[in-house]
Amino acid sequence: NAGVTQTPKFQVLKTGQSMTLQCAQDMNHEYMSWYRQDPGMGLRLIHYSVGAGITDQGEVPNGYNVSRSTTEDFPLRLLSAAPSQTSVYFCATRESGGANVLTFGAGSRLTVL
Amino acid sequence: SQKIEQNSEALNIQEGKTATLTCNYTNYSPAYLQWYRQDPGRGPVFLLLIRENEKEKRKERLKVTFDTTLKQSLFHITASQPADSATYLCAHSTGNTPLVFGKGTRLSVIA
Repeated sequence: NAGVTQTPKFQVLKTGQSMTLQCAQDMNHEYMSWYRQDPGMGLRLIHYSVGAGITDQGEVPNGYNVSRSTTEDFPLRLLSAAPSQTSVYFCATRESGGANVLTFGAGSRLTVL
Repeated sequence: SQKIEQNSEALNIQEGKTATLTCNYTNYSPAYLQWYRQDPGRGPVFLLLIRENEKEKRKERLKVTFDTTLKQSLFHITASQPADSATYLCAHSTGNTPLVFGKGTRLSVIA
């Protein structure tokens, strides 16, 4: 099992460009989420999904778009990148029910110039 | 909204000593606290979970306590080793709500 796979690992964008961070999981977890991690700010929730076709906003959703068409994939889209979106992004999944324990991907480091 | 506070940004400790990390939360509700370890350039990895009706949980050299009166969890690493050096994150949730993370404490174990 690969677990949670994030691509790309590193990306540099110019202000105004768009891109998609990919997250794929092979654990059949219904719940998937995106966090961003910034120095001094900790992990902050961007968007999450409790199953295919269902998404909801987290603490910092502005500037990001998500969709969930399959159980396996949960892409995060930046429609018009801004320097404030320079961060490390983590995708995390969890089993349905249980104790809300998250399994994280390795992260995607995004720099917006 | 829930807030999680990890009081120390960084903690240095001598090898062999017990490291104690603190996590405080602001709201009381049926809940549990989780602890994760994060190494540089990697994603967080789950370590331990303690429920609100549990006082203490152990796993090898790790021990977590939960005091609902103080709204606090303590995370202990006994007989600490340089390999324990990492950032440790506390996270709080109520039932199925998304996890809220603290900012983390960077632990350095000095040989």
